[in-house]
Amino acid sequence: DTGVSQDPRHKITKRGQNVTFRCDPISEHNRLYWYRQTLGQGPEFLTYFQNEAQLEKSRLLSDRFSAERPKGSFSTLEIQRTEQGDSAMYLCASSPPLNPRGNEQFFGPGTRLTVL
Amino acid sequence: AQKITQTQPGMFVQEKEAVTLDCTYDTSDQSYGLFWYKQPSSGEMIFLIYQGSYDEQNATEGRYSLNFQKARKSANLVISASQLGDSAMYFCAMRKSPSGGSYIPTFGRGTSLIVHP
Repeated sequence: DTGVSQDPRHKITKRGQNVTFRCDPISEHNRLYWYRQTLGQGPEFLTYFQNEAQLEKSRLLSDRFSAERPKGSFSTLEIQRTEQGDSAMYLCASSPPLNPRGNEQFFGPGTRLTVL
Repeated sequence: AQKITQTQPGMFVQEKEAVTLDCTYDTSDQSYGLFWYKQPSSGEMIFLIYQGSYDEQNATEGRYSLNFQKARKSANLVISASQLGDSAMYFCAMRKSPSGGSYIPTFGRGTSLIVHP
């Protein structure tokens, strides 16, 4: 399967712990996005990379969140000192440099985080 | 700021019938793109269809068509000949066109579609 992959698929943690999620985009996709989705809502943008450069970051993203894409391939999203309000599905998506369908994004299966 | 509104939290349709899912948007940009995504219970977002703001014809992708009414700022999704596998959440999204800057889409809250046999 050559789609976007995310690991882990599920994560349960205690409040105050740090967690890290990984996203492997489709190869040759230079753009990578992280979203958060809570129940009953659409995906909410967190941050965006073009190659290894983090070009946009949501103002909603607190200092406890950090993302990296060191070699322009896979990306990690870390949440420090987790809070119960961080419980959500974290989605990763990638898109290619040129796409006739308006820069369509290809989404991974998501990582569901539960903070106890 | 961009805003997407999906006013139908839930929709029901009989198998093989057509259904329209509503989406209205608000933007001050002249150049933008509109998307529809499907999210089954498995959680993965699946791209369905795209409409550019300057496209003169409504977009179609198989059983999906986008009824784009620019003056009304609406971009409704029409699914023809519904199938049981169409049962899912459907999200409308919008972003500026690449020439206008950001690639980041804004999503609506979604509409849950249930297809009855």
